[in-house]
Amino acid sequence: QVQLQQSGPGLVKPSQTLSLTCAISGDSVSSNSATWNWIRQSPSRGLEWLGRTYYRSKWYNISAVSVKSRITINPDTSKNQFSLQLNSVTPEDTATYYCVRDMDVWGQGTTVTVSS
Amino acid sequence: DIRMTQSPSTLSASVGDRVTITCRASQSISSWLAWFQQKPGKAPKLLIYKASNLESGVPSRFSGSGSGTEFTLTISSLQPDDFATYYCQQYNSYPYSFGQGTKLEIK
Repeated sequence: QVQLQQSGPGLVKPSQTLSLTCAISGDSVSSNSATWNWIRQSPSRGLEWLGRTYYRSKWYNISAVSVKSRITINPDTSKNQFSLQLNSVTPEDTATYYCVRDMDVWGQGTTVTVSS
Repeated sequence: DIRMTQSPSTLSASVGDRVTITCRASQSISSWLAWFQQKPGKAPKLLIYKASNLESGVPSRFSGSGSGTEFTLTISSLQPDDFATYYCQQYNSYPYSFGQGTKLEIK
């Protein structure tokens, strides 16, 4: 059974970097068939897909244009996990963040508030 | 970007009712559509993928249909556990996008 366990701070100051990690059990971040996504949800923006990383003989990263200049999604094969970094956050980045395998397995969600 | 529009936004129904939720895409997405159920405080749960394929473990009272730009999610006989918010999502092209949600309430 595949499980995703998220970790990271729930409070980030404006202009700083939001960093979250998603630990994978029951699958491999280097899988040739899976994709590893970050999605966030807020009352104002609804569900918003942010980006993904996946391995198909080499690593690929795709990001939403809305966050493209600020987002980094990195796989960590040594720890079988992947991470999200979102730079220069503002209060509009306040949301619940989910890591997701394809669209069928979701992490528990991390509520992140951007506030000083 | 592809815009997904769900209707209605809220639906009041009773246990045993048959209900249908509609999702329209701003351009053709073939059959690359998923449906999710979300309960308060929980992550979305995948119900249907590729427009009409039932995810493993999901009750058969849920069904999906459609292709191109118009899709429907049908619950054949509402159960108490089905009262939740439902979302459609297109994964035909980046950025993947979701509908705004349909809240299914008890009448």
